[in-house]
Amino acid sequence: AQKVTQAQTEISVVEKEDVTLDCVYETRDTTYYLFWYKQPPSGELVFLIRRNSFDEQNEISGRYSWNFQKSTSSFNFTITASQVVDSAVYFCALRYNAGNMLTFGGGTRLMVKP
Amino acid sequence: SAVISQKPSRDICQRGTSLTIQCQVDSQVTMMFWYRQQPGQSLTLIATANQGSEATYESGFVIDKFPISRPNLTFSTLTVSNMSPEDSSIYLCSVVNYEQYFGPGTRLTVT
Repeated sequence: AQKVTQAQTEISVVEKEDVTLDCVYETRDTTYYLFWYKQPPSGELVFLIRRNSFDEQNEISGRYSWNFQKSTSSFNFTITASQVVDSAVYFCALRYNAGNMLTFGGGTRLMVKP
Repeated sequence: SAVISQKPSRDICQRGTSLTIQCQVDSQVTMMFWYRQQPGQSLTLIATANQGSEATYESGFVIDKFPISRPNLTFSTLTVSNMSPEDSSIYLCSVVNYEQYFGPGTRLTVT
């Protein structure tokens, strides 16, 4: 069985602060994929990143960075110098190799205040 | 990437009625997925729709309640039948085209 846990249901920061969103996953598969999505108030789900289980290299994209650690089954997401436009619900998700179904975490609501 | 459109974007429906949601993709894809997001909740997979075969439903979802059509490789519909207020949710279609993309969602309110 697969499971994704986002322990932080809600985070509030002030603009320009750095913030890390935690994601812990469980799977018995050796090959799997991890995703992060952003859901702004408008409701659409915006793809941010996909990571393969065999690639533990950290990724940086502008103000966003991701830390993938198989040893702790975590795939954490950091926003540097947060902005009000980063306010959204962020979902971590897991997909195993043999299928295409995504298992989502419960989501973390990030509120960035000016 | 894949560009996905959904119709309608939102609707308010009376209990006992049915609503059909359309999902159109700008490229041919083998599998399309339908997810439900209840208010304040995460996303749950309803079913997987393959072209030319019956949809595969997840536990807790049945064909009579959520019939799905997949007439070709770029289009699918999901019907929410005999609606009740508990069906008020955002319904999203999704495709895998190297990455996994989601449509803009259909926000359904049942009164």
